[in-house]
Amino acid sequence: AQSVTQPDIHITVSEGASLELRCNYSYGATPYLFWYVQSPGQGLQLLLKYFSGDTLVQGIKGFEAEFKRSQSSFNLRKPSVHWSDAAEYFCAVGEISGGFKTIFGAGTRLFVKA
Amino acid sequence: NAGVTQTPKFQVLKTGQSMTLQCAQDMNHNSMYWYRQDPGMGLRLIYYSASEGTTDKGEVPNGYNVSRLNKREFSLRLESAAPSQTSVYFCASRPGWFFGQGTRLTVV
Repeated sequence: AQSVTQPDIHITVSEGASLELRCNYSYGATPYLFWYVQSPGQGLQLLLKYFSGDTLVQGIKGFEAEFKRSQSSFNLRKPSVHWSDAAEYFCAVGEISGGFKTIFGAGTRLFVKA
Repeated sequence: NAGVTQTPKFQVLKTGQSMTLQCAQDMNHNSMYWYRQDPGMGLRLIYYSASEGTTDKGEVPNGYNVSRLNKREFSLRLESAAPSQTSVYFCASRPGWFFGQGTRLTVV
């Protein structure tokens, strides 16, 4: 069965420091991969997605992610974190099975310290 | 504003009561989804509808029913609410690309 693992429940980084959030997936075929961000009390916003092609994907708000098939990973990165990036981040894999479904990881909460 | 609209935003139910969560999208998307979000568990798919007139079970369908009323609307019904259904519910359209703001449901 398809699954998504986000190993870090929470991460704290200093403002201005670089960020990497880890995501590993289990999927038999070429996956559709997503990263979402959720601010407190809000819905989810799509940061970026990977369907095919270039394995380095650029998203909104200065985020990028790299698909590494050999490691079954899709880690999210940002070179310099801003205080407004504090939120919860979800990695997800999409599968086509009687329709398109998205399976989410448990999330990583990002704290940003001044 | 274009997007996914959920109602209500908050609801408190007593155990055994019923209610329907409403979701509407104005983007002419074929696919719509209902998720629940619980702490430490991410989002879990309850039901989805790949197109108007079709619905399918997701990971956690027990205790829920859905109706795809038309292309715009996809409702989620709790026939007999239980405390285990206390959660935040999100509706989405397309393959998870657009989410509503959520409904925070408490069952006491």
